[in-house]
Amino acid sequence: QSALTQPASVSGSPGQSITISCTGTSSDVGGSNYVSWYQQHPGKAPKLMIYDVSNRPSGVSNRFSGSKSGNTASLTISGLQAEDEADYYCNSYITNRGVIFGGGTKLTVL
Amino acid sequence: EVQLVESGGGLVQPGGSLRLSCAVSGFTVSSNYMSWVRQAPGKGLEWVSVLYSGGGTLYADSVKGRFTFSRDNSKNTVSLQMSSLGTEDTAVYYCARRYANSPVTMDVWGKGTAVTVSP
Repeated sequence: QSALTQPASVSGSPGQSITISCTGTSSDVGGSNYVSWYQQHPGKAPKLMIYDVSNRPSGVSNRFSGSKSGNTASLTISGLQAEDEADYYCNSYITNRGVIFGGGTKLTVL
Repeated sequence: EVQLVESGGGLVQPGGSLRLSCAVSGFTVSSNYMSWVRQAPGKGLEWVSVLYSGGGTLYADSVKGRFTFSRDNSKNTVSLQMSSLGTEDTAVYYCARRYANSPVTMDVWGKGTAVTVSP
């Protein structure tokens, strides 16, 4: 199955808000509320930031929020900070096929 | 403390086999869903497999028939037996715990172990 579609890169200045999109199909993103977002700093393991479209795990800043409309999920980061600079990945689920990830988005904090 | 530690990575020739292990502390593997996710050099994340608490498994099409995900309850470890390896399997392999009720949610990750498939 093809990867979910994410922009290759986004950027923003400290304090600003940015949104990363994740586009799939009705068989994955659009077909359930199973969308998660992961943050990955260089050389590090991914970290769960959002699950089930819009839920934040304990310990994740409330500057991170998630949403979904149709076949597109979105991750919004408000009050951008230098430490937010990282790669971000979305994923979703295809019944009986497993998990599919997005290609990843590199966030640059200017 | 909840922790996952992968081991077993290394250099292997095309067509060869390798067994990765993931030592778990802080929770029991037999009661949880576990996953493997890999990342080729400079590339994105790719889901590999899930092992359900009931013992069933699911694999990505790219590894089906070549990889086997298992666990050892007595050692509280999970393992990924990889065979017929090709250069496309070169990646860092991460072990992760998956939420039981959310198939795409992996809340705890190991630091990964690197696998290089090269002549």
